[in-house]
Amino acid sequence: EVQLVESGGAVVQPGGSLRLSCAASGFTLGDYTMHWVRQVPGKGLQWASLVTWDGFSRYYADSVKGRFTISRDSSKNSLYLHMNSLTTDDTAVYYCARENANWDAFDVWGQGTMVTVSS
Amino acid sequence: QSALTQPPSVSGSPGQSVTISCTGTSRDIDSYNRVSWYQQPPGTAPKLILYEVNNRPSGVPDRFSGSKSGNTASLTISGLQVEDEADYYCTLYTTRSTWVFGGGTHLTVL
Repeated sequence: EVQLVESGGAVVQPGGSLRLSCAASGFTLGDYTMHWVRQVPGKGLQWASLVTWDGFSRYYADSVKGRFTISRDSSKNSLYLHMNSLTTDDTAVYYCARENANWDAFDVWGQGTMVTVSS
Repeated sequence: QSALTQPPSVSGSPGQSVTISCTGTSRDIDSYNRVSWYQQPPGTAPKLILYEVNNRPSGVPDRFSGSKSGNTASLTISGLQVEDEADYYCTLYTTRSTWVFGGGTHLTVL
């Protein structure tokens, strides 16, 4: 079964750091461009970052650029989001998603992990 | 402010049809032929229901259809069912190699 499982969400103080993980199963993560999408509770989806299938390119939304870093570990078939200088605006559920290149769409989503930035 | 504008809410009765629009407001949008739509029932992760305007992944009922005209894409749900009540989002790829989501539309099935 094709599946994505996020973990690492926690309560963190403003200015703090956190690393989210996304474990893939049922497919090889390195064959796909992978994304992080976040959602403030009660609000809409916001695209955050992507890493291309070959790992050569990474892109970020303006709201996280310079603070977040996306990475992946092929040996663990896992995707990561390293988050620094967190603010209360970063409080959200974070989803990892697989991009289907033939469809130009996100065809597999994880269940999400909650990040709360609060003092 | 999202570069893709959706109505905040729509509603319909069981058996009726509703249409949700998604209008681009930015020149950064790469191509409206690449629009995809997602359904998110309360408390769940988003699910892909349409890609490249009007293509359905396996398992998505043909009650869900899409169209495009200029810078506006539309999702139509016909034969509304109670279980269709959810939030719906459009998304597009931009020329800056980033992605953008619409603000989302809440569908109420009365």
